[in-house]
Amino acid sequence: QSALTQPASVSGSPGQSITMSCTGTSSDVGSYKLVSWYQQHPGKAPKLMIYEDNKRPSGVSNRFSGSKSGNTASLTISGLQAEDEADYYCCSYAGSSTWVFGGGTELTVL
Amino acid sequence: QVQLQESGPGLVKPSQTLSLTCTVSGDSLSSGNYYWSWIRQHPGKGLEWIGYIYYSGTTYFNPSLKSRVTISVDTSKNQFSLNLNSVTAADTAVFYCARAKGSDNYLHSFDPWGQGTLVTVSS
Repeated sequence: QSALTQPASVSGSPGQSITMSCTGTSSDVGSYKLVSWYQQHPGKAPKLMIYEDNKRPSGVSNRFSGSKSGNTASLTISGLQAEDEADYYCCSYAGSSTWVFGGGTELTVL
Repeated sequence: QVQLQESGPGLVKPSQTLSLTCTVSGDSLSSGNYYWSWIRQHPGKGLEWIGYIYYSGTTYFNPSLKSRVTISVDTSKNQFSLNLNSVTAADTAVFYCARAKGSDNYLHSFDPWGQGTLVTVSS
């Protein structure tokens, strides 16, 4: 069970859209519609942003959207805002009642 | 509104057992609607799922930690606990407890999370 692969960093200007990736395998991301995404500000606990690949919890801005193709899931943030600057982690069910996270992507709003 | 709060020693000596407790408020562990999880984050690193427990005591663990981890539940106190034995400096991390939730017969995410507690392994 290896960690999911995320780019170390992405950046964008206010108002722009960015997309970050999360690559797994056919044993996790590619096998289940169970990828979730978490936002973590410095010193804070992670916050659920997307679940079941593309569903938004109540209260999460519709600027956040999730998608998936094969073994790679993606998180898109549109209309980038300064408050979106944070670390983002993906997570996938990996079978046999186990879960695997990604290494995280640092989003910088320029 | 459900809240989770981790508690336990912030410093553990190498080879000893790390023990943490998560106290849940605003929801009952006995409701049977969720699994209750432990997740850790090494300093400056990503997240690592440790394992989770159902109110009945059923547990599932990360295969890489399974031999050293125990998770237990005390429904009378609405708490669940983590024990990680034979710790080394590599176990230094922020430990989070979180509720694993889902729909129908499957889990799909971790929400909410406790604020986290830093545990340092050092002599």
